[in-house]
Amino acid sequence: NAGVTQTPKFRVLKTGQSMTLLCAQDMNHEYMYWYRQDPGMGLRLIHYSVGEGTTAKGEVPDGYNVSRLKKQNFLLGLESAAPSQTSVYFCASTQRTRGGPGELFFGEGSRLTVL
Amino acid sequence: KQEVTQIPAALSVPEGENLVLNCSFTDSAIYNLQWFRQDPGKGLTSLLLIQSSQREQTSGRLNASLDKSSGRSTLYIAASQPGDSATYLCAVESQGGSEKLVFGKGTKLTVNP
Repeated sequence: NAGVTQTPKFRVLKTGQSMTLLCAQDMNHEYMYWYRQDPGMGLRLIHYSVGEGTTAKGEVPDGYNVSRLKKQNFLLGLESAAPSQTSVYFCASTQRTRGGPGELFFGEGSRLTVL
Repeated sequence: KQEVTQIPAALSVPEGENLVLNCSFTDSAIYNLQWFRQDPGKGLTSLLLIQSSQREQTSGRLNASLDKSSGRSTLYIAASQPGDSATYLCAVESQGGSEKLVFGKGTKLTVNP
């Protein structure tokens, strides 16, 4: 199994450009998440989805949009990139039970630089 | 608001040493706590998941404990090896339908040969 796959792995943008990060999981997980990781800040949740067709805001949603049209895919969009969005982006997925979330599976990350 | 703290931020030990990594959280009403490992330039890998009703979980040389009342968890690594060098993060999900994990900033572990 591939698990969680993120594309692209690296991208350089100019300020004001737009782009979309794709996350695909093959584990039939309901829950998917987008995080960003910055030095000294740790992992911060951008947006998440609890199922196909649903999305919700996380801790730092401004400047990002997401879509979950298919259960296996979770897209993160930057409409007008800013240097402050230079970061490493991680997608994660999990299946939940009555007791809460199960094991969280992460992708390898997408390193984005905005000039 | 749940806050997760990991101390120390970095730790360097000689090979073979037993060591403990600490994680504390401010809200004791949690669903579970997870410990992750992150190698440089890589994603996070789940090591252990402790449900709120459990006190500890073990996997090989790793043992994680959970004390909800004090808001603490420890990750014990026995007989450390250079291959254990990585950043270790803990994360908790609070009860009340938050549906998302809050991460600590991690402890960077270096095991010297």
